[in-house]
Amino acid sequence: DAGVTQSPTHLIKTRGQHVTLRCSPISGHKSVSWYQQVLGQGPQFIFQYYEKEERGRGNFPDRFSARQFPNYSSELNVNALLLGDSALYLCASSLQGGTGELFFGEGSRLTVL
Amino acid sequence: GQQLNQSPQSMFIQEGEDVSMNCTSSSIFNTWLWYKQDPGEGPVLLIALYKAGELTSNGRLTAQFGTTRKDSFLNISASIPSDVGIYFCAGQNGGGNKLTFGTGTQLKVEL
Repeated sequence: DAGVTQSPTHLIKTRGQHVTLRCSPISGHKSVSWYQQVLGQGPQFIFQYYEKEERGRGNFPDRFSARQFPNYSSELNVNALLLGDSALYLCASSLQGGTGELFFGEGSRLTVL
Repeated sequence: GQQLNQSPQSMFIQEGEDVSMNCTSSSIFNTWLWYKQDPGEGPVLLIALYKAGELTSNGRLTAQFGTTRKDSFLNISASIPSDVGIYFCAGQNGGGNKLTFGTGTQLKVEL
């Protein structure tokens, strides 16, 4: 069975641009969460979606937004990119909403120049 | 954002040795989890702990949920080369998937 898939795997943007990252959860998983991992640090929670509704939001500015589609896939959007947004963006899926037992994808490596 | 404190930050060990690492928090968590991240990959869940004082094993790995709910410990017995990687603890409260991760312990194994 396929794991969590993310696209693109790597991308380079310039300051001020926007980016859309995509995630397909494991088949049957209804919850998707997004995390930002800056080099040398642990992942930081951005959003959780369950059954297409936002169930949690981390301490990130409004430039960050996300949504979940009827097929449970998800998009993370970041507007007005800053240099500090350079990071590995991880998507994680889970069967339900709240055990903490997450299955992570390999991430999308974003570099902002 | 908040990150849990893990120690040691990194360690070199000889193949076959046992390893211990810990994670501490200033606040209480109802669930503690341990993940391992290899280069170029996302974290992989190793062990989940749901009750204070709980001791859980997964093969050569053993983890404990501290009785104060503010710490957790991970032990790896008889290290092998594939144990190399970064180990993260994570705490969770409530019913969502918001995890607070630690700063990580990087394990390097000397052959």
